[in-house]
Amino acid sequence: GQNIDQPTEMTATEGAIVQINCTYQTSGFNGLFWYQQHAGEAPTFLSYNVLDGLEEKGRFSSFLSRSKGYSYLLLKELQMKDSASYLCAVRSFSGGYNKLIFGAGTRLAVHP
Amino acid sequence: GAGVSQSPSNKVTEKGKDVELRCDPISGHTALYWYRQSLGQGLEFLIYFQGNSAPDKSGLPSDRFSAERTGGSVSTLTIQRTQQEDSAVYLCASSLSLGGQGAKGANVLTFGAGSRLTVL
Repeated sequence: GQNIDQPTEMTATEGAIVQINCTYQTSGFNGLFWYQQHAGEAPTFLSYNVLDGLEEKGRFSSFLSRSKGYSYLLLKELQMKDSASYLCAVRSFSGGYNKLIFGAGTRLAVHP
Repeated sequence: GAGVSQSPSNKVTEKGKDVELRCDPISGHTALYWYRQSLGQGLEFLIYFQGNSAPDKSGLPSDRFSAERTGGSVSTLTIQRTQQEDSAVYLCASSLSLGGQGAKGANVLTFGAGSRLTVL
């Protein structure tokens, strides 16, 4: 089966840096996604990693280590609008299907 | 269409009634997912359609839940004899094919706004 773990809640200060970790166990690993979800809204795509290393996109970066089953999302220069849930999702290939399974999400609260 | 469209946006029903939730994916997207999200929780996978292949139904919580996708486009999620624990937001998402093993492209899921179901 699949297992995805991420912290339930985190808090950080405006302007700071925060790292949200995600560990996973899966067979047929075929990519890891991070999504952002503001309260009451649908998730929106942030980043995608399929190879080891760091992917940078403006204030957001995502890292993947396939051998460790580990990823993190790094948010720099935090803004109040970054207060949201951050969902780690793992895509796995099995039985001819690609399936995308989400973790429970990390609720990030950014304070002034 | 420009985005993933879901209807109804809100549905209040009585315990024991049947409900149908509709999803109209982005035109040309062959992959379609249904997820369920309870208040303050993560996304629970329900079912996945890929083109004309048989769907992956492994996430459906009971035989009261079913889904179909007609003509490779619109999908309907049906919940029979609703229970209070079925109350949640039901999210639909679509993408271009998620590709085979090791595909480089992200083929990102685009989510609809969801259908909020309340069972009294």
